[in-house]
Amino acid sequence: EPEVTQTPSHQVTQMGQEVILRCVPISNHLYFYWYRQILGQKVEFLVSFYNNEISEKSEIFDDQFSVERPDGSNFTLKIRSTKLEDSAMYFCASSEVADNSPLHFGNGTRLTVT
Amino acid sequence: AQSVTQLGSHVSVSEGALVLLRCNYSSSVPPYLFWYVQYPNQGLQLLLKYTTGATLVKGINGFEAEFKKSETSFHLTKPSAHMSDAAEYFCAVSSPQGAQKLVFGQGTRLTINP
Repeated sequence: EPEVTQTPSHQVTQMGQEVILRCVPISNHLYFYWYRQILGQKVEFLVSFYNNEISEKSEIFDDQFSVERPDGSNFTLKIRSTKLEDSAMYFCASSEVADNSPLHFGNGTRLTVT
Repeated sequence: AQSVTQLGSHVSVSEGALVLLRCNYSSSVPPYLFWYVQYPNQGLQLLLKYTTGATLVKGINGFEAEFKKSETSFHLTKPSAHMSDAAEYFCAVSSPQGAQKLVFGQGTRLTINP
């Protein structure tokens, strides 16, 4: 069964550094998402992306964050100037369409900011 | 605004016993409701979903959930627990207008005792 793959599985970075989290969505999916889960808290929606542009974003997704689909397969989340509170598990997801088709999640990237 | 409350961060049952994981939601519009499961070191996997139609929804691995509008609930059940059901379970809500912007509960960790 096709899977959403995320790399790396764990990323450690120093405060103030930039990180790029990478995701390869399922190949025939058109909609892409990032969610995150801070340790001990709920999984939170960050952003959705379709047709090479952001379709919706949460209040968490400020100017520090950006997303990109640099080629036909990858979908990336960039965090500029990381803060301690950015430490979380970041999940990428994709879906075929935007209505009620299921989200397929990757295994997540655990980001630790020191 | 939408929200989800999962009663019980940890639930423990014996193998073969009934599994009941509770989920209550708040939504000002007709909800879409979901249950996801997360096994250790894996991503979120869709167990089942309710959008419209029949209120009793059957999912994978023998799980089912019933949408009760009057109680604003979407509890997850399985008649007979198996050791392989040990995982974290997340209830989530969205709406037809934002079907893929999921709002998650805090999760319930299910432990199965032999």
